[in-house]
This record gives sequence, structure tokens and C-alpha cells, in this order.
Amino acid sequence: DAKTTQPNSMESNEEEPVHLPCNHSTISGTDYIHWYRQLPSQGPEYVIHGLTSNVNNRMASLAIAEDRKSSTLILHRATLRDAAVYYCILQITSYDKVIFGPGTSLSVIP
Amino acid sequence: GAVVSQHPSWVICKSGTSVKIECRSLDFQATTMFWYRQFPKQSLMLMATSNEGSKATYEQGVEKDKFLINHASLTLSTLTVTSAHPEDSSFYICSASSLFEAFFGQGTRLTVV
Repeated sequence: DAKTTQPNSMESNEEEPVHLPCNHSTISGTDYIHWYRQLPSQGPEYVIHGLTSNVNNRMASLAIAEDRKSSTLILHRATLRDAAVYYCILQITSYDKVIFGPGTSLSVIP
Repeated sequence: GAVVSQHPSWVICKSGTSVKIECRSLDFQATTMFWYRQFPKQSLMLMATSNEGSKATYEQGVEKDKFLINHASLTLSTLTVTSAHPEDSSFYICSASSLFEAFFGQGTRLTVV
């Protein structure tokens, strides 16, 4: 399975943008890049996904490098509710089992 | 609203008893569901893949006789922890996927005393 690497933890000030990096140098042409996040004591929730082009939705933006070997999840204005563990996952389809790495634990400072 | 509903949210049971956790897909039919376990301060670990109408597929190191999975309909999968022991205390999470994303239940906190 193609793997991803993320920093263990990051901090952000409230209302400032946050850039969460993910490296996936062994990504294959059919892998989609998915981001999920897990708030404390809850199941994970979908954030965003993309293949080659940058993507935006109401929660975040996903910037994908031209060679697809890395990507960045962008939260435009961090709020306290964004404090969570963020997971970068590679999947061919959303029906594939999701194998979670350690993810990045994001702390938001008031 | 929740697309995948998990029940109960938490349960406390005595050592040696069995506990059943339900996972329902509310808005779509799921031929495949997944079960995860998460210990404190750790990531989710995939336990098994639940297949509607057939046997579940267990990940290496997961005891299939201890963690019984039943997926009798397209909207319901159950995980039964048999003869639970304190080391089975954990956060259990199920998931089901639609075309573009995986949906996760809210999790079940199991405490075995």
C-alpha cells in the first residue's frame, strides 16, 4: 500500500490559516488523496479529496503538487473546533478500506 | 445528520460477558463496512472488513472467534466482542462508503470491568 507521512503535531493561532502537509512519494496514478479528521472522542469525518487538481469545499482547500508526491490541506481560518487529528490517506476508490497512519494532531491556540 | 449510526455510544460490561455493537448506514446501502479499534493516544487500527451476505475478512492478528461480525443486511453490520476482558476496553468505530467518501460512526467506548 502506498504510504503517507505527516508531521506528528502542529499548532496554529485561532483565526489564522493552517497548512497541513502530507508526503506521498510512492503514490500511484490511480490513487486519490483523501483527508479525514477526528475530533476528540468521535469517529473520523471526511474533509476533502482530490486527484490532480486543487480542490476547494466549505471546510478546506487541498493543494496537490504537480508531481502528486505531496499535498497540503489548508484551513483558511482555524477555529477552536478545528482542533483534531488530521489524516492524509491514499485510496483508489472510497470503497477501499482506509488504513490510518498516525496523522497530524492540530492544536489551535486562542 | 449522521449517515452512519453506531449504537451504543458507550457500554460498560463485566469481564467474561459479550457485547454487541451495531453499525447502520442510514442513507445508503453498504455492501461493505469496516470495523476499527482505537486505543488512547493511538490511531485507528483496522480490525475487519464486513461483507454483506458473506464472511468477514479479518486483519492479521485479529481473532475472528473473539470478534464476531455479522452483516445480514445492506444497512446493518454488528460486531460482537465475546468473552470480553479488560484488555478489550477500547474505542470501536465502524465505517461505510458511498461513491466519494467514507462515513464513520460516532464510535462505541467499551469498558470491561
